[in-house]
Amino acid sequence: GESVGLHLPTLSVQEGDNSIINCAYSNSASDYFIWYKQESGKGPQFIIDIRSNMDKRQGQRVTVLLNKTVKHLSLQIAATQPGDSAVYFCAETLVYNAGNMLTFGGGTRLMVKP
Amino acid sequence: ETGVTQTPRHLVMGMTNKKSLKCEQHLGHNAMYWYKQSAKKPLELMFVYNFKEQTENNSVPSRFSPECPNSSHLFLHLHTLQPEDSALYLCASSQSSGGYEQYFGPGTRLTVT
Repeated sequence: GESVGLHLPTLSVQEGDNSIINCAYSNSASDYFIWYKQESGKGPQFIIDIRSNMDKRQGQRVTVLLNKTVKHLSLQIAATQPGDSAVYFCAETLVYNAGNMLTFGGGTRLMVKP
Repeated sequence: ETGVTQTPRHLVMGMTNKKSLKCEQHLGHNAMYWYKQSAKKPLELMFVYNFKEQTENNSVPSRFSPECPNSSHLFLHLHTLQPEDSALYLCASSQSSGGYEQYFGPGTRLTVT
């Protein structure tokens, strides 16, 4: 399930440091934004989401920030661990009843140095 | 990923072959999706099924033919593929309404020779 041969932007951080992964989205009408994590050999896994009427949401060790003015989304990971090494994708979607269509960003590869 | 399973995990096929990818979800969802992940486009939506009905075909060539016999199973039938179709094919499922969280399977890595 790894991102096949992708030339992705890479963020390299030291274990224990905080990581910030950025994403620019395209549709100003999008209502939901989601971050996914994809580890090698696996499909993408949901991390956290945020609705367009919010600008910040916190989870366990993760925080998502939304800036609608500049159509920017960020994922902050506190105290980054080796297990956080993966490719991270942001996704956006309109509210769509008959099966939500997600539009994914290009992805960022996070590498955590022990 | 016991929630969404995909078989086979790896497939090598010639351009004249016919093969099928299978996806099964054990989450009680009613919407299922096929995505293509390649070097050129990281995650590209191909098809959406909602309650077994196809609701979206994202301009996918006819050499890819989806089938959804019930809400738990999704197939992608492949024939006369091109080498540029080599990619990772991911299946996902979600609830049909208000359920924007999609659960992905591990994918099938397809190589067309």
